[in-house]
Amino acid sequence: EVVLTQSPATLSVSPGERAILSCRASQSVSTSLAWYQHKPGQAPRLLIYGSSTRATGIPARFSGSGSGTEFTLTISSLQSEDSAVYYCQQYHNWPPLTFGGGTEVEIK
Amino acid sequence: EVHLVESGGGLVQPGGSLRLSCAASEFTFSNYAMSWVRQAPGKGLEWVSAISGSGATTYYADSVRGRFAISRDNSKNTLFLQMNSLRVEDTAVYSCAKVGTLVTHDYWGQGTLVTVSS
Repeated sequence: EVVLTQSPATLSVSPGERAILSCRASQSVSTSLAWYQHKPGQAPRLLIYGSSTRATGIPARFSGSGSGTEFTLTISSLQSEDSAVYYCQQYHNWPPLTFGGGTEVEIK
Repeated sequence: EVHLVESGGGLVQPGGSLRLSCAASEFTFSNYAMSWVRQAPGKGLEWVSAISGSGATTYYADSVRGRFAISRDNSKNTLFLQMNSLRVEDTAVYSCAKVGTLVTHDYWGQGTLVTVSS
């Protein structure tokens, strides 16, 4: 099973600043990695797939990068509505599909 | 817009059973694989099970294999999760999700709460 480790657990960022979230895989997943945004009481939202491709309707301030075992989600200019928990998910070696433990992004 | 609505959650005793449903609309249901994903209180997302568009192939997490069964009725655009031998640790919000590009989940329902407690 591929274990995904996200860091930091919590990130506090001021509006307009950059947020950088990390996801590390226990073995290579090539570029088979997705990122989701999850707000309380709402359904999760797919942000990125294929490590770096934005899903339909996702603002350009969200970008993904990485391959192998190291991945990054960058929010270039944080907006108040970006407060959420962000999860990575791998689909290179499954079943099982696996998610990281999440990074909570707080607005300062 | 794709719409997914789960139902069937509730309170059940350990060892009991529940059947969850997910009603899908606004897309060609039979063309897409579907997943169940759960979130225990205060925890992260955990994939539970997936099924191919035809229903011929199913996949399970080790934690539920042999106890849960995923199925679908393409004539009614509905996904199911039969949960047997429930344990306290199965307590979670269960969401169905459409599998889109490259085994990612591009649309999700709001979820239904399953509580396993005596």
